[in-house]
Amino acid sequence: AAGVIQSPRHLIKEKRETATLKCYPIPRHDTVYWYQQGPGQDPQFLISFYEKMQSDKGSIPDRFSAQQFSDYHSELNMSSLELGDSALYFCASSLASPLAGGPYEQYFGPGTRLTVT
Amino acid sequence: GQQLNQSPQSMFIQEGEDVSMNCTSSSIFNTWLWYKQDPGEGPVLLIALYKAGELTSNGRLTAQFGITRKDSFLNISASIPSDVGIYFCAGHSTSGSRLTFGEGTQLTVNP
Repeated sequence: AAGVIQSPRHLIKEKRETATLKCYPIPRHDTVYWYQQGPGQDPQFLISFYEKMQSDKGSIPDRFSAQQFSDYHSELNMSSLELGDSALYFCASSLASPLAGGPYEQYFGPGTRLTVT
Repeated sequence: GQQLNQSPQSMFIQEGEDVSMNCTSSSIFNTWLWYKQDPGEGPVLLIALYKAGELTSNGRLTAQFGITRKDSFLNISASIPSDVGIYFCAGHSTSGSRLTFGEGTQLTVNP
């Protein structure tokens, strides 16, 4: 079965640079979620989109922005990178947003490991 | 914000033993999910629970949604070496679409 695809898998950036992470949800899934996981930590919710509209917002820095496109893929844009942004970034997708009464099962991609030097 | 307290933080067991871990919260959750994560990989969904009191199995895994909707447990029977990994509980409330994760349980299985 097709899974969530994330690219790139690894990314090395310097401080103050920008980065763009891409997520391709499971086919027919219309909701995407972004999570950040620091070393030894649990995933922390950043932001989610349902039908190209932002559906929920967590602890996402103002330096980060995201959007969902018409083909349902999503991109997380990160600017003015800081050392503390080094982490694993996961995208997850679900069939329908809980806000629309859909299922709550979120399926995660393999992640993008971002290293800021 | 909402927090999930997961215990134990780590477990070291022998192959063939049964394992139990649990999550508790001060808040009510409408959905409980259990994930397994291998190093450097994304969490893999193991079991989803939707109703208070629900008991669900997936092979050697059994999970229950607590009656109070504030807790859940996961049991693994007859553990095998490939069960090694970090197990996370996650809860979903009515506010927003986010999942709140527990701190994780690191499971080590000795052959």
